[in-house]
Parts: sequence; structure tokens; C-alpha cells
Amino acid sequence: EAQVTQNPRYLITVTGKKLTVTCSQNMNHEYMSWYRQDPGLGLRQIYYSMNVEVTDKGDVPEGYKVSRKEKRNFPLILESPSPNQTSLYFCASSLHRVQPGELFFGEGSRLTVL
Amino acid sequence: AQSVTQLDSQVPVFEEAPVELRCNYSSSVSVYLFWYVQYPNQGLQLLLKYLSGSTLVESINGFEAEFNKSQTSFHLRKPSVHISDTAEYFCAVTQGGAQKLVFGQGTRLTINP
Repeated sequence: EAQVTQNPRYLITVTGKKLTVTCSQNMNHEYMSWYRQDPGLGLRQIYYSMNVEVTDKGDVPEGYKVSRKEKRNFPLILESPSPNQTSLYFCASSLHRVQPGELFFGEGSRLTVL
Repeated sequence: AQSVTQLDSQVPVFEEAPVELRCNYSSSVSVYLFWYVQYPNQGLQLLLKYLSGSTLVESINGFEAEFNKSQTSFHLRKPSVHISDTAEYFCAVTQGGAQKLVFGQGTRLTINP
């Protein structure tokens, strides 16, 4: 089954404790992206990757890091989480590197930073 | 920069009534438009898309959207809603050569029996 898998689905952590949210897709997609969803703001892009070793900032990259060492994986790293990073995070992938409108989403990771 | 405005944050309707969810975008160049649906506690799923050709596009579950270039709109409609349509709906846009999809704020559709 074609899917995007995120882990963990739920996480409560404390300020400053480094964490990683993993994302893996089994569709051989070149394009992958991370979004955060906040009430009233819709989805905002954090980082995206057009291929292995190619990543770029989205609209809200501050406080986040990513890496793309393998085509299928695109982890999101919070080096020193803060309460304003409490949010619902989605990983998505697309077959198209340019005009990636047809996105496949994971089920989301709800993060709470105390 | 592209932007998308969904004019209603919440839309309550009765079952079997018609519904319209409004979406306007800002880009003046060639655009590609999408509606995504998010059911409770799930990720987003593509509902329908406009890439080119006919300005009226349809989904498999009875929704349709019409691309209106002059009004820069892509409103979503369904003539008769069902309880199972309860979800949040997101309009999104990308343009030629762009590397990202820009989402609207979302519209929560609530169906009352």
C-alpha cells in the first residue's frame, strides 16, 4: 500500500530536549515536504526536498532542521524545542519535483512542548 | 507571493442541503488549483484538482469546483451533503515553476442531521 509514515504520532516533551520526527514514503517520490498546521493558519511549509541531498527552506524554517540522505526518508529535527513549536506536523511527498500539487500526506504528528 | 483566502472558517449545514466553500487566490499567472479534505484525526487527502482544460472539475464523491480566472476563485460545491462529508477542507495553489503548494486557512464543514 502506498503510504507516508510518520513517527511518533503523539509526543509531549520539554523545552530544549532535542527530538526527531521521522517520515518515510514507499512510492519512490522525489519531492518531500514538512508542514505544520495551526488553528486559523492552515498549513505552512517548514522545509522541502526535491531530491536526495537537496533541501530548502519553506515559509517557517526557524527552529527546525531536515536531512535527506535517502530518497524514502525525510526526518524533521527540532534541536531545542520551544513551546511555540507545539503544533500538528505533516510530512508529504509528491511524484513531481516541480509544481508538486498532488501531495500524499502522512497521518500527522502532534507535538506538545512544555 | 501567492496567497489563498478561504472566506469562511466554519460552515454549518443540514444534511442533504447544498453547500459552497469559497476560495480565492492572489496569483495572476498560470496556476494549478487543488482542494484537499482532512477527516477527523487524519492527514489530508486530495479531493480534486484543476491543472488545465475544462474549468469545472469533479471528485468521485459528488463535489465539484469551478476555476474562474476573472474572479481568481476556485469555489467548492456539493448539491447535497451527507454526514460523512464532515471534515476540514483546504484550498491550495501552486504555479508554473514553483516548488511548493500554498494552502488556505481551511474551512470546517459541519453537517447537522
